[in-house]
Parts: sequence; C-alpha cells; structure tokens
Amino acid sequence: QQQVKQSPQSLIVQKGGISIINCAYENTAFDYFPWYQQFPGKGPALLIAIRPDVSEKKEGRFTISFNKSAKQFSLHIMDSQPGDSATYFCASQSPSGSARQLTFGSGTQLTVLP
Amino acid sequence: KAGVTQTPRYLIKTRGQQVTLSCSPISGHRSVSWYQQTPGQGLQFLFEYFSETQRNKGNFPGRFSGRQFSNSRSEMNVSTLELGDSALYLCASSLSDYNEQFFGPGTRLTVL
Repeated sequence: QQQVKQSPQSLIVQKGGISIINCAYENTAFDYFPWYQQFPGKGPALLIAIRPDVSEKKEGRFTISFNKSAKQFSLHIMDSQPGDSATYFCASQSPSGSARQLTFGSGTQLTVLP
Repeated sequence: KAGVTQTPRYLIKTRGQQVTLSCSPISGHRSVSWYQQTPGQGLQFLFEYFSETQRNKGNFPGRFSGRQFSNSRSEMNVSTLELGDSALYLCASSLSDYNEQFFGPGTRLTVL
C-alpha cells in the first residue's frame, strides 16, 4: 500500500509563530499534493495544493514547499492564528487521467495559543 | 454554488443491519469519491465513480458498495454492519481528473 507519512502528530505554537508540517510520499507517480484543513464536526476543506513541476506555492499565509528528489513536501503557516487551530492532512493523488484516489497522511493536530 | 451535501448527517444502527448513505456533488461535478475516516485508520479511500462507473476501489470488503446515478448523485451501502464500521463517511466531488476534490460534511455512522 502506498503511504504518505506525516509529522508531527501534534503541534503547539504561539500566536504569530510559524507552523510547519511535513509529509513524505513513496509513489513517484503521484502528481498532485493537496493540504486539507479539518475542524471538528466538519469535512476536510482544501487549503492549498501543488503539482510537482513547481517547488513552492504561496497563498496568503500558507506556503507549500515541494522537494521532488526527496519525495517530501511541507506546509508552512506564517503568522499562525488561534483560528488556525485544526487538524491538517497532507495527501497525494494518483496520476491525472486515471481513477482519482487521495492517499492521506495521518494528520497533525495544530493548536495555536493566544 | 452549493457545496457537497450528504444525508443523513448522523445515523445509528445495530450490528448486522445495512445502511445507505447519500451524496449530492457540486453541480456540474461528475466524479464522486467516498472515504472512511476513523481515529485509528485515518482517512481511507473507499471508491470513486465517474459517469456512473466505478473506476477505482480501495481495500475494503465487499460489504461496502456504491453506485452513481445519471445526475452524478451517489450512494454507498454497507451491509451486515460491524462495530468497526463506526466512522465518519465522507464524500468528495470534483469537476474532472485535473481538478481538486471538495468534501462534504460527512455522515457520522455509529454501529451498536
């Protein structure tokens, strides 16, 4: 089974700090790497995503860094806010044009202290 | 544009029963995927439908099945429920193979 390994399992940061979550994948055929944010009682919401032809993508306070050779990617949350407190999942998707399947990491529980 | 909707939101069943969950994708989206979320196993892919055809299936027993209708709405069925089937079942839709997947709020199934 193709895996996506996510770390850390939990993360506590102060308001205004930088939150960093890391993921590593195995299948080099994966071609789409999204991050989802999930609040209790809600479904995962797409936060930001990247394809392997770029090494970095930034949207507001959220940045994905992608290292194709290391098969790793990470989420950086700048100026973290208490409202960012949620569970974050990285995922990898099977190649476009074939059946869609997201393989998820195990999740990171982020707590931002006020 | 309305998001992905799932019904019912909560469901309580007993072992041995069967259950049907429903998902209405975002208007215009033709791909619907189902995922199971549990504290122990995390988010796991169940199956994906596109234009009424199942294109991919995850590593789940045959008790888990699904279908998609011509209007892209999808249902999943779990027969002979087991305690371990208690989970949040999530549906996600996407416009095409090159577009992101959007998740619904999920159906919380509890098996007693």
